[in-house]
Amino acid sequence: NAGVTQTPKFQVLKTGQSMTLQCAQDMNHEYMSWYRQDPGMGLRLIHYSVGAGITDQGEVPNGYNVSRSTTEDFPLRLLSAAPSQTSVYFCASSYSGAEGANYGYTFGSGTRLTVV
Amino acid sequence: KQEVTQIPAALSVPEGENLVLNCSFTDSAIYNLQWFRQDPGKGLTSLLLIQSSQREQTSGRLNASLDKSSGRSTLYIAASQPGDSATYLCAVPNNAGNMLTFGGGTRLMVKP
Repeated sequence: NAGVTQTPKFQVLKTGQSMTLQCAQDMNHEYMSWYRQDPGMGLRLIHYSVGAGITDQGEVPNGYNVSRSTTEDFPLRLLSAAPSQTSVYFCASSYSGAEGANYGYTFGSGTRLTVV
Repeated sequence: KQEVTQIPAALSVPEGENLVLNCSFTDSAIYNLQWFRQDPGKGLTSLLLIQSSQREQTSGRLNASLDKSSGRSTLYIAASQPGDSATYLCAVPNNAGNMLTFGGGTRLMVKP
């Protein structure tokens, strides 16, 4: 049981380049989300998805796109990288019961991105 | 808007001490509260999940309590070890369960 898998672990981009951060989970969780972690800012939500074909914006969505074509995968796209997007990115998944109660989150190991 | 606060921000203790990390939240209408551990340069590892109907959860030397009415949770670490050195984060989901609000974390150092 791999849990939440993120690739790559490290990436250096030049300003203006695009890339996709991959995230996959094998727990059949309906919820998936992307967070970024910055010193002094804590963890902030970028985008989230409550199921295949459904995505929505979080606190800091600008500069990022997401899609959810399958339950398992939730890639994060940087269209034109900027130095302000230098951060550590975490993907997470979760699930809820029929009554709507949440049953906890599982996080991936992160992608450390540097934009120069 | 839910706000989560952790006190203290940093803590340094000698090995063997019992210690308490605090987490407070402003909106008591939560489904659960989750404690995570993060080692430097690593991801978040879930330690304990307390559902709103529970008062506490235990895992080994860790015990987490939840008092919804007062908006507080504590993480108790018994007989601390140098390997416990890490940042500890608490987080609560919103009512829809689709996002987490994190505290700022407590950076713990246990000295041999």
